[in-house]
Amino acid sequence: DGGITQSPKYLFRKEGQNVTLSCEQNLNHDAMYWYRQDPGQGLRLIYYSQIVNDFQKGDIAEGYSVSREKKESFPLTVTSAQKNPTAFYLCASRNHWRDPNQPQHFGDGTRLSIL
Amino acid sequence: AQSVTQPDIHITVSEGASLELRCNYSYGATPYLFWYVQSPGQGLQLLLKYFSGDTLVQGIKGFEAEFKRSQSSFNLRKPSVHWSDAAEYFCAVGETSNTGKLIFGQGTTLQVKP
Repeated sequence: DGGITQSPKYLFRKEGQNVTLSCEQNLNHDAMYWYRQDPGQGLRLIYYSQIVNDFQKGDIAEGYSVSREKKESFPLTVTSAQKNPTAFYLCASRNHWRDPNQPQHFGDGTRLSIL
Repeated sequence: AQSVTQPDIHITVSEGASLELRCNYSYGATPYLFWYVQSPGQGLQLLLKYFSGDTLVQGIKGFEAEFKRSQSSFNLRKPSVHWSDAAEYFCAVGETSNTGKLIFGQGTTLQVKP
């Protein structure tokens, strides 16, 4: 079955450490997105990518970095510059070129906590 | 700037009762509107979407939503709620069709009483 796989499900970060969250999709979708979810704040966009080797900052990109070397993969690195990284992170993808009206499809998320 | 407001943070209904979750948006043109549902610790699942045409849209799990341009609203409804509907519900508006970016409301948590 096609879908979006996020790993790990739970992740712990030490002070001063960078951590990378994995997002893989086998839907052949062009566009991929990373969101951060905090209680009572809905979802906020961190980064997005419409095509391979290209990505744009979202609303809260500071302290995060991404890469898009392959169509199916869009890893997110939470750097030590992100002072409040504890949150639930959601990855999504969207079939861009074939039909611009397609909705976003979501993975099951990664919960990141500070040790 | 575009925005989405879900006025109710938390709603409790009895099982079998009807449900309406409110969503108001701010957008100049005809919006692309979505409702998603999230169970605890899970990702978001699409319930339904509206782009154009019939203003009453049907979704999965017996949900429907009505687009009202005059009220800038896209409220979600279900005639009879089941205990399994307890979850968090998010309304979202698409920024433009080319970027696919979504702007989400803050969410409404639904509790179902037996």
